[in-house]
Amino acid sequence: GDSVTQMEGPVTLSEEAFLTINCTYTATGYPSLFWYVQYPGEGLQLLLKATKADDKGSNKGFEATYRKETTSFHLEKGSVQVSDSAVYFCALSSAGGTSYGKLTFGQGTILTVHP
Amino acid sequence: KAGVTQTPRYLIKTRGQQVTLSCSPISGHRSVSWYQQTPGQGLQFLFEYFSETQRNKGNFPGRFSGRQFSNSRSEMNVSTLELGDSALYLCASMTSGGYNEQFFGPGTRLTVL
Repeated sequence: GDSVTQMEGPVTLSEEAFLTINCTYTATGYPSLFWYVQYPGEGLQLLLKATKADDKGSNKGFEATYRKETTSFHLEKGSVQVSDSAVYFCALSSAGGTSYGKLTFGQGTILTVHP
Repeated sequence: KAGVTQTPRYLIKTRGQQVTLSCSPISGHRSVSWYQQTPGQGLQFLFEYFSETQRNKGNFPGRFSGRQFSNSRSEMNVSTLELGDSALYLCASMTSGGYNEQFFGPGTRLTVL
């Protein structure tokens, strides 16, 4: 079945440091890939998405490229801010009837950014 | 456009009771999915409804059920609550052709004592 594996956390960085959160996946066919962010006490917010191989999703300085050859969708940001502190989830959606409305999530990575 | 709303935001129940959670999707969205989030199991898919029909179901016992109304609002019900049902329950809505791009509500925090 589908699965998503994220790098072990938590991740602690200083402000303006470079961020990478690794994400790899297993899925049949050509899934769509997503990064969601969850701030304390809130639901999930869609950060970025990519729907086919070599697509690059980007938003608020975050980027991720859909790499089919390595089945990866790593999240990067060149200069993090304290306000980026949150939990980040990588997720996939497979095509096909058995996947209606279903996102498969990684375990989440806690990011803490210090001033 | 208003986002996904969930009520109530917090709920405390005791073992053996049942509970009903409500979700109102973004206007125009006809699909509603439900997820359970716990520290141990992470985010797990419960079920998805589209046009009042359940199209997909995750691997949860029959105590977990749901329904969708003609206005796309959805409810989920958990009967005979167990301690392990304590979790954040999230619903998400999406348009019919959106690559499963889902928009989440703030969740209902259920505590079972």
